[in-house]
Amino acid sequence: QVQLVESGGDLVKPGGSLRLSCAASGFIFGDYYMSWVRQAPGKGLEWVAYITTSGSTIRYADSVKGRFTISRDNAKNSLYLEMNNVRAEDTGVYYCARDNWSAWRAFDIWGQGTMVTVSS
Amino acid sequence: DIQMTQSPSSLSASIGDRVTITCRASQTIANYLNWYKQTPGKAPKLLISAVSTLQSGVPSRFSGSGSGTDFTLTISSVQPEDFGTYYCQQSYSTPGGITFGQGTRLDIK
Repeated sequence: QVQLVESGGDLVKPGGSLRLSCAASGFIFGDYYMSWVRQAPGKGLEWVAYITTSGSTIRYADSVKGRFTISRDNAKNSLYLEMNNVRAEDTGVYYCARDNWSAWRAFDIWGQGTMVTVSS
Repeated sequence: DIQMTQSPSSLSASIGDRVTITCRASQTIANYLNWYKQTPGKAPKLLISAVSTLQSGVPSRFSGSGSGTDFTLTISSVQPEDFGTYYCQQSYSTPGGITFGQGTRLDIK
């Protein structure tokens, strides 16, 4: 079935780095934009970044620009988020989502999320 | 960046009540307005895309409307399984970024 599975969440110290992965299955991964969305504990949803099908266009939220890098490997049906120089405010659940460009950019498939905790 | 303002931030409703949640964009966003529902500990779920297109499997008591900058999500007759938090999202200003509303928490009385 159509599925996204995130991994890589962990406890990391401020200033440290982490790489999140998202494995896609059940659909043609390379046909879709993909996004990362995060949610701090007890807070709302915050879009983090998106990447187009070929990776030719990438956009970031101002809060992560210059620190996070989104990438994809269509041959491996995988999406990544490289997180550098992390801060306490980066703590939260990180979701990957299928960003359906043919349906008004609705996020129609979500993973279960992976928890990132930034703390010394 | 486009700001999305939802109201109310929370509400309580009785079974069978009609509930309306509003979402206002800081500038026009055409039809790039989507609605999601999230329950505690779960990933969000897409309910409505492009203002009013109900996703497969979503009950017909849910509906969306609006245009330009003002949009609404309506539940015609609230059911116990409708508790959770609802978010609107604009995906119009993608050079500037995609933004979510702050969420509306729906409790069942």
